[in-house]
Amino acid sequence: AQSVTQLGSHVSVSEGALVLLRCNYSSSVPPYLFWYVQYPNQGLQLLLKYTSAATLVKGINGFEAEFKKSETSFHLTKPSAHMSDAAEYFCAVTPFNDYKLSFGAGTTVTVRA
Amino acid sequence: GAGVSQSPSNKVTEKGKDVELRCDPISGHTALYWYRQRLGQGLEFLIYFQGNSAPDKSGLPSDRFSAERTGESVSTLTIQRTQQEDSAVYLCASSPSGGPHNEQFFGPGTRLTVL
Repeated sequence: AQSVTQLGSHVSVSEGALVLLRCNYSSSVPPYLFWYVQYPNQGLQLLLKYTSAATLVKGINGFEAEFKKSETSFHLTKPSAHMSDAAEYFCAVTPFNDYKLSFGAGTTVTVRA
Repeated sequence: GAGVSQSPSNKVTEKGKDVELRCDPISGHTALYWYRQRLGQGLEFLIYFQGNSAPDKSGLPSDRFSAERTGESVSTLTIQRTQQEDSAVYLCASSPSGGPHNEQFFGPGTRLTVL
């Protein structure tokens, strides 16, 4: 079985500051890991994914995430927050041989001017 | 191109009534997924369709929930005798084929409120 824990349901950052969203997973087999973003009144959109290639994954809108097997983590970062980054972010995991995504509870990001 | 669409966007119903939620996947996508998102929680997998294979219904929470898919197109999620705990956003996603390496494209969801 696999599960995802996102630390912090709400994160508030100043515009231009670092965005760090934490995700820890548990998986009995090698995982595929994903970050999705949900903007207000829109569907989920894939930000980036880890599929056992490079451990540092770059995504859209300047986001990146690093897979750390020893820490069972897949934290999402962006060096400089923009107002348009205000959204809800979901970390998800699936075993390499499966298709069902297990999602974390989500982290809502607000950006202060 | 057109993304995944869902209808209705909002549905308010009374406890005990049946509801049908519709999903139109991206044309050509053989895999289709339904998820449920309760307030303050992550998405829960409900059901998966892949081509003509038997669907994976392992996530359906009770026998009041069922889903159908016509070929590789429209899918309908039906909830019979709705309960208040069924209130949630129901999300549909599709992907070019099954498997974790394929990105799932999500629709905007149907917000179901059971009074």
